[in-house]
Amino acid sequence: DIQMTQSPSSLSASIGDRVTITCRASQGISTWLAWYQQKPGKAPKLLIYAASSLHSGVPSRFSGRGSGTDFTLTISSLQAEDFATYYCQQANRFPHTFGGGTKVEIK
Amino acid sequence: QVQLQESGPGLVRSSQTLSLTCTVSGGSISSGPHYWSWIRQSAGKGLEWIGHIYTTGSTNYNPSLKSRVNMSVDTSKNQFSLNLSSVTAADTAVYYCAREDAWSNDYWGRGTLVIVSS
Repeated sequence: DIQMTQSPSSLSASIGDRVTITCRASQGISTWLAWYQQKPGKAPKLLIYAASSLHSGVPSRFSGRGSGTDFTLTISSLQAEDFATYYCQQANRFPHTFGGGTKVEIK
Repeated sequence: QVQLQESGPGLVRSSQTLSLTCTVSGGSISSGPHYWSWIRQSAGKGLEWIGHIYTTGSTNYNPSLKSRVNMSVDTSKNQFSLNLSSVTAADTAVYYCAREDAWSNDYWGRGTLVIVSS
């Protein structure tokens, strides 16, 4: 299986901060990567697909970059509704594996 | 707007079979080149992809579960289903169904908690 490693596992940030989360794949996955946001008790929501494509309805402050093994999700200016846990998922090979998550908390 | 809803027992006895159904509304399950996925989330293992099924019945399963998993689709009811046999406490999780588009899951059900009891 392809291992997806996210860092950090948690971070504290303030409203308006620029936040970057990293996801590293154990082998190259081209751009077959998605990012999700999950709030407590809710299903994950798709933010980014194909590493850098913004899903419909997702605010433009979210952006994704990367290819191969190293990827980033950036929130350009953190808003109150962005405090959540973020996951990456690769879809290059079966099984489609997820990262362990990054919890973004209020500073 | 596509919506998905999981249904099935919230409590399953150890060694029995977990059976869940996902009902799709707001669109036909047969429209578009979509796979239909099952994903679970437990405290111990985070998010785990179980597998997916196409409307033709073609499937891909997680090898770690492959010997116990069976998925099916009923296009006449706009539903797809998951059966997981010989369950243990390790299968206790929130189970989500989701639509897969462009190799990402763009629509998700709310999730259903399944507890495996001994």
